Amino acid sequence: DQQVKQNSPSLSVQEGRISILNCDYTNSMFDYFLWYKKYPAEGPTFLISISSIKDKNEDGRFTVFLNKSAKHLSLHIVPSQPGDSAVYFCATISGSARQLTFGSGTQLTVLP
Amino acid sequence: GAVVSQHPSRVICKSGTSVKIECRSLDFQATTMFWYRQFPKQSLMLMATSNEGSKATYEQGVEKDKFLINHASLTLSTLTVTSAHPEDSSFYICSARGDRTNEKLFFGSGTQLSVL
Repeated sequence: DQQVKQNSPSLSVQEGRISILNCDYTNSMFDYFLWYKKYPAEGPTFLISISSIKDKNEDGRFTVFLNKSAKHLSLHIVPSQPGDSAVYFCATISGSARQLTFGSGTQLTVLP
Repeated sequence: GAVVSQHPSRVICKSGTSVKIECRSLDFQATTMFWYRQFPKQSLMLMATSNEGSKATYEQGVEKDKFLINHASLTLSTLTVTSAHPEDSSFYICSARGDRTNEKLFFGSGTQLSVL
């Protein structure tokens, strides 16, 4: 049973517009969420995170929103740039070792 | 940010051979290291968690005798795929966390293993 779900496997956006990537989770006890970006044949790189005590965190072009009642978070990228094209994974912390559990990823393509 | 080095980046080997992948934390002491595997177009799946100086904890369905993990120092963990078979072909990624890196995990660049 997936604890973190990204229901959109792909998303295409025009350069300069907003990209919105969505993620749902199942366990209301999860208290920390992260977004990672991944290029093919490379390891994921950390983008932004949010604690459950907040509902929004912003860092430059990236903003993460957390809706605890809906168990939903989203990543907004604005303005989108062609270099943002990559697979984006949402993740949460779980387990005794505080390991990351990833969603299935969304391939973002930003069209020039 | 913290740097995690992983090598080799690509390995092609014959079926039945063993392959060792190294993961090093370059500028921090990694008390915990994680090994993930990613099949094409799928998510990163946690294989095992290792703490320095102790045995690794494997996720359900991951054979500990096939995927040997050693975390002998605070800066080095190794994953050895023993007697590799074509179905072991995958992208393997390590990650590390130190005491001061909070919840963020820093990832190595990954190893693409192709078993012929």
